[in-house]
Amino acid sequence: GAVVSQHPSRVICKSGTSVKIECRSLDFQATTMFWYRQFPKQSLMLMATSNEGSKATYEQGVEKDKFLINHASLTLSTLTVTSAHPEDSSFYICSAKDPRAQTGELFFGEGSRLTVL
Amino acid sequence: GENVEQHPSTLSVQEGDSAVIKCTYSDSASNYFPWYKQELGKRPQLIIDIRSNVGEKKDQRIAVTLNKTAKHFSLHITETQPEDSAVYFCAASITGNQFYFGTGTSLTVIP
Repeated sequence: GAVVSQHPSRVICKSGTSVKIECRSLDFQATTMFWYRQFPKQSLMLMATSNEGSKATYEQGVEKDKFLINHASLTLSTLTVTSAHPEDSSFYICSAKDPRAQTGELFFGEGSRLTVL
Repeated sequence: GENVEQHPSTLSVQEGDSAVIKCTYSDSASNYFPWYKQELGKRPQLIIDIRSNVGEKKDQRIAVTLNKTAKHFSLHITETQPEDSAVYFCAASITGNQFYFGTGTSLTVIP
C-alpha cells in the first residue's frame, strides 16, 4: 500500500518552545492530508485537514494559532505546535489518501510522540 | 462534525471464539465506514470497510454489517486468534475525506 512517513517519531521540548512535525507521502501525491491527535488509550481525534496550496481546515475546538499547518507541496504537510505547554503532550499522527487507490483507505504515518517539559 | 461512539472499550475472548464490536454514528449523511486495527506501537491499518449502499461485507474471518436506519455498524471477527489482539477503531466519513473515529476497542484474545 501507499507509504506515509512522519518525522520525528519522538520529540521532547521545553515549555514555551515550538515544535515542527513533518508528514510526507513517499510514493504518491496527496492534495489533502489529515492530522490527528491520540491520547493514551483513546481515539484518534481529527484536528485539521491540510490542503495543498490553501489554508488548512480546522475542527471545532482546535486552535489555529496553536497548531499551525502548512501544506507546501503535494508530498509534504507540517504541523507546528507553537508555544508548547505540557498539556500539548500527546501522540500526533498524520494520514493521507492515495488517489490511485480503489478504496477510500487512509494511510497513516508512524506518529510523533511529543513530550513538553 | 460527526459523532461516532464505539462499544465495548475493552473485550477479552478465548481463542476460537467470536468478537463483536459495535459503533453508532450521528450524521445520516455518512456513507463510508472503515475499520482500522492498531497494534501496539504501530500505525492504524485498514482491515475492512463498507459503503452505505451495502448492508454486509465479509473478508475471510472478518465481517462488517451496516444498519443505515439505526445508524449503527458492527465488526465481527470469527475464530479469533492471538494475533487479532489489538485496538480496533471504527470510523465514519461523509465526504470520504474527513474521517471521524470511534473511541476504540482493545481486544485481547486469550490463548
